[in-house]
Formats: sequence, structure tokens, C-alpha cells
Amino acid sequence: DAKTTQPPSMDCAEGRAANLPCNHSTISGNEYVYWYRQIHSQGPQYIIHGLKNNETNEMASLIITEDRKSSTLILPHATLRDTAVYYCIPNAGGTSYGKLTFGQGTILTVHP
Amino acid sequence: DTGVSQDPRHKITKRGQNVTFRCDPISEHNRLYWYRQTLGQGPEFLTYFQNEAQLEKSRLLSDRFSAERPKGSFSTLEIQRTEQGDSAMYLCASSLVGIGKSFREQYFGPGTRLTVT
Repeated sequence: DAKTTQPPSMDCAEGRAANLPCNHSTISGNEYVYWYRQIHSQGPQYIIHGLKNNETNEMASLIITEDRKSSTLILPHATLRDTAVYYCIPNAGGTSYGKLTFGQGTILTVHP
Repeated sequence: DTGVSQDPRHKITKRGQNVTFRCDPISEHNRLYWYRQTLGQGPEFLTYFQNEAQLEKSRLLSDRFSAERPKGSFSTLEIQRTEQGDSAMYLCASSLVGIGKSFREQYFGPGTRLTVT
């Protein structure tokens, strides 16, 4: 699995966009980029994933650079409930999709 | 609530005792995963099942650990002769994969917090 680098922590004001970066320069061609988050005392929760195109769903947007070496998760209007640890996880996906390799993640704190 | 349940939610045991945790996945999901998470760290993969077959085990899963999924539904994780280093949150997740289904996210349960004294 590719190695990832994420900032250990970030702050965001409620109502503003939160932009969480992830460096995955060793990602291979068949690896997707998955984002999960973990709110305190809960299990991780899937947010979004992508291969090379930008993606958007009801929770977030994912911007992947053209060389696929980095990506940014965007929470367009952060709320206090978005305070969590955010994990960027490259994974081959497909029917062989198995284990997730979590790194340290980014602790996002949304403040009023 | 993701639909994945784990029991118990908390377990305190003395060193040397055996413990067993249970995970009930989302009913139609054919894959079930176990992870372990220590304080301040991300979850670490332990093992996963497709139906009742255990397809992969991490090197973290020592001989004292055993997992089963006897009928392809619920799963149990047993730790024998517990050690203080086993203290952690044990997370279970499930997903549905199959022909033509290239991606399915994993749904995680709330975890079982184990404290070994």
C-alpha cells in the first residue's frame, strides 16, 4: 500500500470550508484514494473515494491532482459535528478490496 | 448506527484470562473485518472473512488470537491468556463484495474496548 502524509491537526471555523490535504506520492496506478473519518468514541465512517477524477457526494468533495500524488478532501460547510480524525487511505479497491491501512490521520477541530 | 453491532462494548479483564468478542455485521454483507486500535493511533487490520472463509490474517494476530465466522454471519474474536499490551479498541466492519461490484465501503461497528489489568 502507498504511504500517506497528512497534517496532524487542522482547525476550521463553523460554516467555512475545511480543506484537508493528503500526500500519497507512491500511489500505484490501480489504487483508489479513500477517505474515512472517525468521530470520538465511534468506529470509522466512509466519506468518499476516487481514482483520478474529482468526486462529490452529499458529504464532501474530493480533488485529486492530475499526477495523483496528492488529494484534498473538502467539507464545504463544516459543522461542529465534523470534528473528527480524517484518514486518507490508498487502496486497490475492486473485488479484491480487503484491508484498510490507516495512518495517523488529521485531527480536524471545527470551532464556533 | 451503521447496522454493525459489537458485544460487549467494554470489557475489563485480568492478565492471563481469556476473552471473546462478538460482531454482528449487516445481514447481507459477505465480508467481515477485524481491526485493533490503540490510543492515538489509527485502526490496524487484524483479519478478514469472506462468508465463513478466513482469507487474510495480519502478523499482528499472534497465536493467542483466533477468529471465527462459522456460518458466514456473526463472528467471534477470542484472545487467550490476555496481556496488558492487548488493551485496545477492537473494531469490526462489514462490506458486500461480489462479481460486478467493484467497490463497497466498509461499515464499522462501535467497537469493544478491552482493558487488561
